[in-house]
Amino acid sequence: DVVLTQTPPTLSATIGQSVSISCRSSQSLLHSNGNTYLHWLLQRPGQSPQLLIYSVSRLESGVPNRFSGSGSGTDFTLKISGVEAEDLGVYYCVQGTHALMDTFGAGTKLELK
Amino acid sequence: EVQLVESGGGLVQPGRSLKLSCAASGFTFSNYYMAWVRQAPKKGLEWVATISTSGSRTYYPDSVKGRFTISRDNAKSSLYLQMNSLKSEDTATYYCASYGFAYWGQGTLVTVSS
Repeated sequence: DVVLTQTPPTLSATIGQSVSISCRSSQSLLHSNGNTYLHWLLQRPGQSPQLLIYSVSRLESGVPNRFSGSGSGTDFTLKISGVEAEDLGVYYCVQGTHALMDTFGAGTKLELK
Repeated sequence: EVQLVESGGGLVQPGRSLKLSCAASGFTFSNYYMAWVRQAPKKGLEWVATISTSGSRTYYPDSVKGRFTISRDNAKSSLYLQMNSLKSEDTATYYCASYGFAYWGQGTLVTVSS
């Protein structure tokens, strides 16, 4: 089974600071069709998760462009360029490459310093 | 506006069954693979099941395989999750989501306890 390891588990930031979250997979997430199905979600307190980034680096409609994703193979990064108060919550990476057996990372909690 | 509205959660005794429903609107439901994702209290997200557009193919993790059944009715734009032989570790908020996770419901809480 694919395991996604997110680091750090908790991230403290000030408003305006840029931060990064890492997601490492135990197996390559490059699909045989050439796509990589690694996505990033944000779950704000008390809310359902929302999609931020899909297929490594594609910004979901309506998501601010301070969010960006990068990576390939087994190593992926979500970057927030200038944290805003509304960005606080738990970030999850999730993979959909392997036989529709989706796997979520354990989450990274972003909080105010 | 896209909406996914779950229902059917509640308190159930261990070993009993429960069926969750999810009513979809605002998008062409029949064109989307759909999924159920759950979140135990104060825990992370766990994928529970995925179903193809026609309903002919379904996928489950080992933790629920043989106990849970995902199904859909495209004519009613509805998704279902039949949960049998429930265990205390199945206690969670269950979310209906489009596969690829662009659309999410608000979740319905299932509590398995005697």
